[in-house]
Amino acid sequence: ETGVTQSPTHLIKTRGQQVTLRCSSQSGHNTVSWYQQALGQGPQFIFQYYREEENGRGNFPPRFSGLQFPNYSSELNVNALELDDSALYLCASRPSRGAIYEQYFGPGTRLTVT
Amino acid sequence: KQEVTQIPAALSVPEGENLVLNCSFTDSAIYNLQWFRQDPGKGLTSLLLIQSSQREQTSGRLNASLDKSSGRSTLYIAASQPGDSATYLCAVAGDTDKLIFGTGTRLQVFP
Repeated sequence: ETGVTQSPTHLIKTRGQQVTLRCSSQSGHNTVSWYQQALGQGPQFIFQYYREEENGRGNFPPRFSGLQFPNYSSELNVNALELDDSALYLCASRPSRGAIYEQYFGPGTRLTVT
Repeated sequence: KQEVTQIPAALSVPEGENLVLNCSFTDSAIYNLQWFRQDPGKGLTSLLLIQSSQREQTSGRLNASLDKSSGRSTLYIAASQPGDSATYLCAVAGDTDKLIFGTGTRLQVFP
């Protein structure tokens, strides 16, 4: 059974640029969530996708957007990057929508905005 | 609004000690609580998941308890080892599917 994978591992972008982060969910999981973790803080919920549709969103501006594909992999897109977007971005998958299900996290993508 | 607090923020202990990490939350209407381990710069590894109907869960040297009515959970680590050094995060899940995290306890176990 393959766990949650994310790519790239890390990247550096310039303020104002756009970035796309990718996540492959664990086999059999149809629900993917994205979290942002700033240095020294706990992860903050960005949004969740269930069967290719956004199914819940945290307190993040519209320049944070996402997609989920038929194979349940997912992308996080961030436009007009700001310095405060520098963080570890974590993807998590679960067997289905619903808080009862345990979430499994990937290794994260470290984004640095200069 | 749900808020999660973890105490202490940091802990440094000699190898072999038994440890208690604390997590408190303000809204008792949760579905479950999860404890995670995070190594520096890495992702989250799930340690224990306690459903709201359960009182505790155990895995090896780890034991987590949940008191929903008082909004508290504890993670007990028996016979700590240097390999236990990491940040430990607790997170609660409510009716909106998302996890709400504390800021973590940074643990260092020295030989």
